[in-house]
Amino acid sequence: GAGVSQSPRYKVTKRGQDVALRCDPISGHVSLYWYRQALGQGPEFLTYFNYEAQQDKSGLPNDRFSAERPEGSISTLTIQRTEQRDSAMYRCASSLGGRYGSGANVLTFGAGSRLTVL
Amino acid sequence: GENVEQHPSTLSVQEGDSAVIKCTYSDSASNYFPWYKQELGKGPQLIIDIRSNVGEKKDQRIAVTLNKTAKHFSLHITETQPEDSAVYFCAASTSGFLNTNAGKSTFGDGTTLTVKP
Repeated sequence: GAGVSQSPRYKVTKRGQDVALRCDPISGHVSLYWYRQALGQGPEFLTYFNYEAQQDKSGLPNDRFSAERPEGSISTLTIQRTEQRDSAMYRCASSLGGRYGSGANVLTFGAGSRLTVL
Repeated sequence: GENVEQHPSTLSVQEGDSAVIKCTYSDSASNYFPWYKQELGKGPQLIIDIRSNVGEKKDQRIAVTLNKTAKHFSLHITETQPEDSAVYFCAASTSGFLNTNAGKSTFGDGTTLTVKP
């Protein structure tokens, strides 16, 4: 697609429920990143993929958070047994990736999924 | 890990004036420093970036400078316009061997720039 698409844009859920957030990156982008952004703060790294392989998940807060990208394109971030502290904007970004050249660094962000846990 | 501090948190200027936003970083291995502009309801959008082998980069009214020794970098916007009003984020990342983790960035907390007409 023309840009990074995320859905849903807004999600309100009750504490204890599971949620799944979806990201559709720019076509041809090898690398996909998940960030979380609290109000008034910068994005915070969660995890990233090259193709379908999860390369780094060091930013996932705990084992309730997981992510997958089974076919190397669309990715899903899943939060199990949601808690109020999980409320935030979840942003996906993609980049050309690749082993050489400058394209690997340049991130294009989606509009985000705002999660509210009641 | 990397820590990025950004100042000021808010900045208000008159249209036509210059605006400067400063960031410091802690990890000397960081070698890529992008700046993002975030408008209301949208995701951060890259506006300019600089790599550690360059001291300054300019793109029309926007420039970025990097001082590796002092570990700080700055965004300069000249002849500001009302449409420059937004939240600006600096970030730092490290491109490892074969660009591993190239997009794993540490962001500052943002600067809200207001340009008064």
